[in-house]
Amino acid sequence: DTAVSQTPKYLVTQMGNDKSIKCEQNLGHDTMYWYKQDSKKFLKIMFSYNNKELIINETVPNRFSPKSPDKAHLNLHINSLELGDSAVYFCASSRGQPNIQYFGAGTRLSVL
Amino acid sequence: EDQVTQSPEALRLQEGESSSLNCSYTVSGLRGLFWYRQDPGKGPEFLFTLYSAGEEKEKERLKATLTKKESFLHITAPKPEDSATYLCAASFTYGQNFVFGPGTRLSVLP
Repeated sequence: DTAVSQTPKYLVTQMGNDKSIKCEQNLGHDTMYWYKQDSKKFLKIMFSYNNKELIINETVPNRFSPKSPDKAHLNLHINSLELGDSAVYFCASSRGQPNIQYFGAGTRLSVL
Repeated sequence: EDQVTQSPEALRLQEGESSSLNCSYTVSGLRGLFWYRQDPGKGPEFLFTLYSAGEEKEKERLKATLTKKESFLHITAPKPEDSATYLCAASFTYGQNFVFGPGTRLSVLP
């Protein structure tokens, strides 16, 4: 039973499209995160949600909008996709923050 | 600005050849230093957390240590299955919540 699961694993789309990535955790954690890992493998935090409330919003374009319907889910919606959005996006969760984070397997987004 | 750097960028070892990876940080109040392992195509997997200078943690062939400015991940008698990218991350009292270093890509040759 996967602890942090993301769907889809791969996402190939055209520039200008809107897409969503879903994340679910079954660990009972109250904090969830989205990270972006670029081609140089640098992991950068994008958003952090605690009990469905946004607590970190790093400098990301407002085309990126996280949505947390409940504590176990944190989805990432991206509008008007650009070539530079191509990367691997990771979801993570933790109990409280900052604390040990458990990561999903990642979603590889390719914008053509 | 809070920063985390790692060295070397890449390391190739022969099986059984022990070595150390370095993680240096400049912080405004370190709350915790975390080590993760990342295999190709997978998410980072938690290894250790260190909270205060002088602290050490061990797991199989890996040992993590922490000083006031850096952390080391010592690998003793590595095996090919230890090949992966090792990431360190720091959490701070103020500013950014969690900052990852760029990682060290370790290859252990049989």
